[in-house]
This record gives sequence, C-alpha cells and structure tokens, in this order.
Amino acid sequence: SFELTQPPSVSVSPGQTARISCSGDPLSKQYGFWYQQKSGRAPIVILYKDTERPSHIPARFSGASSGTTVTLTISGVQAEDEADYYCQSADSSGNYKIFGGGTKLTVL
Amino acid sequence: EVQLVESGGDLVKPGGSVTLSCAASGFTFDSYYMDWVRQAPGKGLEWVSCISGSSSHKYYANSVKGRFTIFRDNAKKSLYLQMNSLRVDDTAVYYCARESAEADADWLDPWGPGTLVTVSS
Repeated sequence: SFELTQPPSVSVSPGQTARISCSGDPLSKQYGFWYQQKSGRAPIVILYKDTERPSHIPARFSGASSGTTVTLTISGVQAEDEADYYCQSADSSGNYKIFGGGTKLTVL
Repeated sequence: EVQLVESGGDLVKPGGSVTLSCAASGFTFDSYYMDWVRQAPGKGLEWVSCISGSSSHKYYANSVKGRFTIFRDNAKKSLYLQMNSLRVDDTAVYYCARESAEADADWLDPWGPGTLVTVSS
C-alpha cells in the first residue's frame, strides 16, 4: 500500500539517543527523506536519500535504511531538537509524494 | 539566497474558490519542479501537487484532483494553486516548496512560510 508509518511520539532525556522509524512499501523502491518542523514554522529537510545530511544540519542527525524501513537517529539529543519529524518518499515514478504521519519528539 | 513566499490565503465559504501564489527568488526558477504541500490545523503534512519546470507535467493528490489546478509563470518566477469547489477539510496552511534537482530523489527544499486557507461558512 502507498503509505508510510511512523510512531506518533518519542520521548528522550537530554543527551540520550532518539530513534524514529518510518516504514512502508514505497521505501523498497524509493529513497526516504526526513524533515524537522518546529512549532509554527515550515518544515526543513534534515536528511535526504536515506542517509545524506545537508551541510548545515548537525552531525548528531543520521539516517539508515533497510528494506522497507528508514530510521532517523538523533545522538546526544538537545532541548532544541524538540519538534515534529516527518519522513517522505514517493511512488515508483517519483511524481506522487507521500509523507508519514509525523512523530512528535519530546525532550524530557 | 533561495526564498519562497506564499500569499493569497483567505477565509472562503464551502464551494468557493481561491488562488494561492508563491513568489520565488535566488535560483533558476524554470529549472525546477515545484510542489504544494498542505497541513491541516494540528495535523500532519499532505502532498497536494507538483509541476515540472516547463509546465508539461502536472500531478495531483487524489484528494484534490479535479478541483485544484497547479500552474506557473516562469517569467514572473511564480507558482500558483487555483483551488475550486473548496470543502471544509481543505482548511490548512499551504506551503510551496522546491524539489531537488537530482534525478530519482525528490525531496523538498526549501519551503515557504505558508499561507492559511480557511474554508468555513
């Protein structure tokens, strides 16, 4: 089916590691991308092509891919990482895009 | 600096129409696919539509097909979304975003700040 599934919420203490998964059939054929959206702001891309990180994104953000799942890992979580995180992929043609439902990361 | 700024959001009655605009700057506009993505209040992101640089290809989510039309004016470096037969569940912040230039990898960067469309009687 053409959908991506994320956990609704993840909670971690500062300095710990947060992992957010995204699963769905599109990921078996297409890359996954990750966006961070802070309250009241537009999303920004933090990972592209499963594991690539834009130069301005901190190195504590990393990605992995296996089969139909991509995973966002935030190592040494900081208070400023509290946000909603969305994965995105596309159909086999790349023309129809799909977002996961989003994961709210809470830093305790 | 690459920048996108949306405008045109409004309060519209069910069944009504509105056209959103997105002004682009800082890049070669006609070289990029452009997209619209929306976010209903308190909800997640939903992809709406995209258009190729030359306007030769247009794609729509099933939820808006037949009601929304995406178009662009490359001379004005502007993207548009004409929204007809609006429903209450079209209420959302609408973002425009630029697609990556890489083949086989269609991520969106950057995004504009968004414009709010409220459909209510």
